[in-house]
Amino acid sequence: NAGVTQTPKFQVLKTGQSMTLQCAQDMNHNSMYWYRQDPGMGLRLIYYSASEGTTDKGEVPNGYNVSRLNKREFSLRLESAAPSQTSVYFCASSESPFVAGANTEAFFGQGTRLTVV
Amino acid sequence: AQSVTQLDSQVPVFEEAPVELRCNYSSSVSVYLFWYVQYPNQGLQLLLKYLSGSTLVKGINGFEAEFNKSQTSFHLRKPSVHISDTAEYFCAVRLTGANNLFFGTGTRLTVIP
Repeated sequence: NAGVTQTPKFQVLKTGQSMTLQCAQDMNHNSMYWYRQDPGMGLRLIYYSASEGTTDKGEVPNGYNVSRLNKREFSLRLESAAPSQTSVYFCASSESPFVAGANTEAFFGQGTRLTVV
Repeated sequence: AQSVTQLDSQVPVFEEAPVELRCNYSSSVSVYLFWYVQYPNQGLQLLLKYLSGSTLVKGINGFEAEFNKSQTSFHLRKPSVHISDTAEYFCAVRLTGANNLFFGTGTRLTVIP
């Protein structure tokens, strides 16, 4: 059981380049999330998808777009990368809290370390 | 608005000594509370969670936490730490009925031999 899988694990971009971070989960979870982790700031929510077909902004959405391709996959796109987007990106998934008795635990991928030069 | 505060950014402790990592939150509604651990160059793993019921929650690796509603705290404790507990620990809050987790800034626990 793979859980949450992120690709790639490492990436270096030049300023202005674009790229898409991929995330897939095999736990049949409804909700998926993208976080960024920066030193001294913990994890901050970029976007989330409560269920297939819906996406919503989190705390720090500027410069990013997302696509909930299907129930399993949730991608994060940087259209024009900037040095301020150098970070470690984590994808996570969980059952929807709106389902009575749902386990609200979030499961995380291993992260993508992105450097923008 | 909700927030999570981890007052200690770094906690050094000797092996086999007890440790407490502090977490306070602010929220006007009921919350679910979590502690996650992150080992170097890895993702986050759930240590324990409080959803409802008993305020003392036991997790993996000998950790436990106590939910104190009046003090809005959820401190993590372990009576005797090991070298392998060296990691970064994150407290997180989720509002009941909401979809997103809010994380504290993390506490780096270093166990000294």
